[in-house]
Amino acid sequence: GAVVSQHPSRVICKSGTSVKIECRSLDFQATTMFWYRQFPKQSLMLMATSNEGSKATYEQGVEKDKFLINHASLTLSTLTVTSAHPEDSSFYICSALRHSGKGNEQFFGPGTRLTVL
Amino acid sequence: DAKTTQPPSMDCAEGRAANLPCNHSTISGNEYVYWYRQIHSQGPQYIIHGLKNNETNEMASLIITEDRKSSTLILPHATLRDTAVYYCIAGNYGGATNKLIFGTGTLLAVQP
Repeated sequence: GAVVSQHPSRVICKSGTSVKIECRSLDFQATTMFWYRQFPKQSLMLMATSNEGSKATYEQGVEKDKFLINHASLTLSTLTVTSAHPEDSSFYICSALRHSGKGNEQFFGPGTRLTVL
Repeated sequence: DAKTTQPPSMDCAEGRAANLPCNHSTISGNEYVYWYRQIHSQGPQYIIHGLKNNETNEMASLIITEDRKSSTLILPHATLRDTAVYYCIAGNYGGATNKLIFGTGTLLAVQP
C-alpha cells in the first residue's frame, strides 16, 4: 500500500503554545487529506478535510481558528493546534486519499501523540 | 455515509479463519464497503474494499451479500499480530460526502 508519514510522532508542550503536525504522502500525490483525532479507547473522529490549494472543510464542532490546516502542496498537509490546552491532548492521525479506478483508497499516517501540560 | 453495525468484540483461535461481520442496511448504490484495522496506538491500516463483487487480496477476503446490506471480512489464517480493532465503513469519495466516518469497530482478539 501507499505510504503516509507524520511528524512528529510524539510531542509534549506547555499550555498556551502552538504545535504543528506534518502529514506527507510519500509515494503518491494527494489533493485531499483528512485529519482525525482519537481519545483513549474511542474511535477516530474526523476533524477536517484538507484540500490542496483551497480552504479546509471542518466538521461540526471543530474550531477552525484553533486547528489551522494548510495543504500547500500535493504531498503535504499541516495541522497547527494553536494555544494548546490540556484538553487538546490526544492522538492526531492524518490520512491521504489516493484516486483509483476501483473506488478511492485512503491511507493513514502513524499518528502523532500530543500531550499538553 | 451509510451507518454500519459491528459486534463490539470477537475471539478467534490462532491459525483459524476469522470472520468479521458488518451490517450496512442503508448503504446506497454508489457507496463502497471499506475495511480498516487499527493496532493499538498506530494509525489505521487499509485492508480491502469493494462495491458489490467479492474481493480478495493478500491480506483478506471481502464477501458482500447480493443485496449489499451486509458483508464479512475473512482473515483466512489469523495470527496473534491480527489482534486489532477492525472498522467497517460505507462511503463514496467524490460524492456528497468525500470522507470516511469511523464507527466503534470490532475488537478481534486472536488467542494462542
